[in-house]
Amino acid sequence: DQQVKQNSPSLSVQEGRISILNCDYTNSMFDYFLWYKKYPAEGPTFLISISSIKDKNEDGRFTVFLNKSAKHLSLHIVPSQPGDSAVYFCAAISAGGTSYGKLTFGQGTILTVHP
Amino acid sequence: EPEVTQTPSHQVTQMGQEVILRCVPISNHLYFYWYRQILGQKVEFLVSFYNNEISEKSEIFDDQFSVERPDGSNFTLKIRSTKLEDSAMYFCASSEMAGTASSTDTQYFGPGTRLTVL
Repeated sequence: DQQVKQNSPSLSVQEGRISILNCDYTNSMFDYFLWYKKYPAEGPTFLISISSIKDKNEDGRFTVFLNKSAKHLSLHIVPSQPGDSAVYFCAAISAGGTSYGKLTFGQGTILTVHP
Repeated sequence: EPEVTQTPSHQVTQMGQEVILRCVPISNHLYFYWYRQILGQKVEFLVSFYNNEISEKSEIFDDQFSVERPDGSNFTLKIRSTKLEDSAMYFCASSEMAGTASSTDTQYFGPGTRLTVL
């Protein structure tokens, strides 16, 4: 199931700089997108989401951008902090039809923020 | 802040044995889910549950799996006869709503149960 793809397995960033994590999707029925952060041996922690009727959503240091025509979304973290080091998952939901909230996840990107 | 809880944190079992994984979703949430993550792989959807019945299930969720909400707070996943390939982290999640394409669809996850089948 490759409907949601995160093509960068890892990203290394200096503290204070911007982190940009990317995600592509193929299913045009997806209409709600989420980013989760995950530490080892813990559950995914919700970060930020965006509905398909928007192209940007911002929450503090986190901003998610959605380009529907390109089927691409990105998460920007500014400024990056060492505590942001974790695995970041992109996930998508198709709200319509018979899909009752099934989240489809990407493979994840390991973000390392160096002091 | 309300959170999803799961027990046990780690379960070790012999192949062929039954296991029950337990979850307490966030109290005002109506939709409940189970996901799993095999080591090194993606988080995969197993099943969604609403109004005391399964709403959707994946091809992974075969006859060996079942879910139940035995009371007003717990949500359980039962694997009847475990196989080696069932070894994974199992995550429970809950959401207020589903199908609205808005913030009420956001799913909140528990810390997971690590299932090891020997």
